[in-house]
Amino acid sequence: GQNIDQPTEMTATEGAIVQINCTYQTSGFNGLFWYQQHAGEAPTFLSYNVLDGLEEKGRFSSFLSRSKGYSYLLLKELQMKDSASYLCAVAYSGAGSYQLTFGKGTKLSVIP
Amino acid sequence: ETGVTQTPRHLVMGMTNKKSLKCEQHLGHNAMYWYKQSAKKPLELMFVYSLEERVENNSVPSRFSPECPNSSHLFLHLHTLQPEDSALYLCASSQDDARGQETQYFGPGTRLLVL
Repeated sequence: GQNIDQPTEMTATEGAIVQINCTYQTSGFNGLFWYQQHAGEAPTFLSYNVLDGLEEKGRFSSFLSRSKGYSYLLLKELQMKDSASYLCAVAYSGAGSYQLTFGKGTKLSVIP
Repeated sequence: ETGVTQTPRHLVMGMTNKKSLKCEQHLGHNAMYWYKQSAKKPLELMFVYSLEERVENNSVPSRFSPECPNSSHLFLHLHTLQPEDSALYLCASSQDDARGQETQYFGPGTRLLVL
């Protein structure tokens, strides 16, 4: 089976930087997604990594190390609107099957 | 309408009822998905359709029956549900079902309560 771990909750201060980690164990790895989900709303796409390294997109960056089964999402210059759950999701395939497995999500609270 | 829409947004049903959830995507995508999101649990992929054909069924109980009449519409037919089926049901779509490498766009979800 697939196993994805990420912290349940984190708190950070407005204007600061926060790093949300995700570790996974899977076979047939096909990429890792980060989604943001505000309370009561649908998840929205943030990033996709399939190769090792850092992908930067504005205030958000995502890093992947396939050999370590590890990713992180880095949020800079935190704003109050960044308070949300951040979902790590691993795509994998094998024997003609397609799957996307989500972690439980990390609830980030940004405080003044 | 733009993006992915779902109706109804909220649904309360008894265990003996039959109801259907509807999803429509206006993005010209070829793949559609049903997910279940329960409190304190990760998103669970239920069904995947690619070009109107079901390509994935993750051991979902038969009381959930999906239907994809065309690439823009997806239904989830519900019958004789259990209280533990109460959850947020999310629909998503992607350009293609390319072995998980496609970004998925989610609808707002249907909040289902089974009494």
